[in-house]
Amino acid sequence: DAGITQSPRHKVTETGTPVTLRCHQTENHRYMYWYRQDPGHGLRLIHYSYGVKDTDKGEVSDGYSVSRSKTEDFLLTLESATSSQTSVYFCAISESMTRGRETQYFGPGTRLLVL
Amino acid sequence: TQLLEQSPQFLSIQEGENLTVYCNSSSVFSSLQWYRQEPGEGPVLLVTVVTGGEVKKLKRLTFQFGDARKDSSLHITAAQPGDTGLYLCAGGENSGTYKYIFGTGTRLKVLA
Repeated sequence: DAGITQSPRHKVTETGTPVTLRCHQTENHRYMYWYRQDPGHGLRLIHYSYGVKDTDKGEVSDGYSVSRSKTEDFLLTLESATSSQTSVYFCAISESMTRGRETQYFGPGTRLLVL
Repeated sequence: TQLLEQSPQFLSIQEGENLTVYCNSSSVFSSLQWYRQEPGEGPVLLVTVVTGGEVKKLKRLTFQFGDARKDSSLHITAAQPGDTGLYLCAGGENSGTYKYIFGTGTRLKVLA
């Protein structure tokens, strides 16, 4: 199994509070991703990173920010959580992102409930 | 935004039966991946197909990429309870860097 951990695994928070989710990898892969998974929508890309301090937006980036100060860590921040951000969040990693054949390895997920 | 529709959404079958899951889009993809996800875990890659018309087999699972690279199918022969899970297709799109658009998912339950 790829070495990917996510923390916390479960979190309950209140509307308007900031929340930070952490993804940590031990594979030294260059690319890291944050997805959210909701019923009927599959997985949707929030943000991704192609190197330290290099990030870009995905299809559902509004209300989220990310940071990557080290190869192994990718943080997802909800600046002011809303109930629509209740979801399961997955981190993924891959060695490259240029050939369309890469394997993405997913973490175990973080279940976030915003009340 | 490219969309990938999967059908059926839910499937409950008896052990030993065959089944096919479909993944359809109006857009062309550079590649198509299939993942399986079990409860409480992240998706795990099963296969990647990259050529129109390509067929790949993994034991009892057969994956096909449509000739026009807009659709794909997953066929399972003689399903087993261990096949139970959420199956996701993901289309690779090249916009400078590759990103994957995930389908809506098919939840399969195989009854013993």
